[in-house]
Amino acid sequence: GQQLNQSPQSMFIQEGEDVSMNCTSSSIFNTWLWYKQDPGEGPVLLIALYKAGELTSNGRLTAQFGTTRKDSFLNISASIPSDVGIYFCAGQLMGFQGGSEKLVFGKGTKLTVNP
Amino acid sequence: KAGVTQTPRYLIKTRGQQVTLSCSPISGHRSVSWYQQTPGQGLQFLFEYFSETQRNKGNFPGRFSGRQFSNSRSEMNVSTLELGDSALYLCASSLGTGLGSPLHFGNGTRLTVT
Repeated sequence: GQQLNQSPQSMFIQEGEDVSMNCTSSSIFNTWLWYKQDPGEGPVLLIALYKAGELTSNGRLTAQFGTTRKDSFLNISASIPSDVGIYFCAGQLMGFQGGSEKLVFGKGTKLTVNP
Repeated sequence: KAGVTQTPRYLIKTRGQQVTLSCSPISGHRSVSWYQQTPGQGLQFLFEYFSETQRNKGNFPGRFSGRQFSNSRSEMNVSTLELGDSALYLCASSLGTGLGSPLHFGNGTRLTVT
C-alpha cells in the first residue's frame, strides 16, 4: 500500500531552537495534514494544506505542500517545552475526492524539548 | 463546541471476550472514522461511516465491526479478542467526506487484552 516516509523519527532539541520535519512519498497527494499528539490524547489538527506549493502558518508553525505533490514539511520556530509530543503527517491520495479511507499517516516524529 | 468524545478511556479484557467502544462526534459532523494506533504499525484505518452507512473499510478481519446511529454517534465492536488487539482505538469525525473536511480526533480508548 501507499506509504509516507516521515523523518526524522525523533528529535532532541534545546528550548528556543527551530525544528524541521518532513514527509515524502512516491505517491501524489491532494491534501496534506499535520497533527500533534500529546501522551494519552488523540492527535490534534495543526495545519491543513490543499494546494501544491501552499505555505500556511499557525502561530510558530509553518507547513508547506510540496510542488511535486509528493512531500510536505513542518517547521516550528523558537521551540518551547509544550511543543513536546509526536507530530504526524497525513496525506490524502490524488484521485480520491474524499473519504478518510485514503488518508495515509506517517509514523510520526517524536519531539523532545529540553528547557 | 465539544470535541469528539470516546468512552470508555480504558478497558482491560481477556482473550476471547468481545468489546464495544463508543464515539460521539463533534456536533454537526456526520462522518465518523475509526483508527487503531500501535507503536509498531502507527495509525491504521479501520472503517468510516457517513449517514449510518459504512463507506469504506480498512484491512482488518471481520472480528472488527462498527455501526453509526441516526444522531451520528458510532460504536465499534471487536469480537473474540486477541492479544494483538491491544491498542489505542481512535475515533475521528469530520463535517463531510470531501476535501476540506479534515479529521478531528477524540482522545481514544486504550484497550488492553490479557
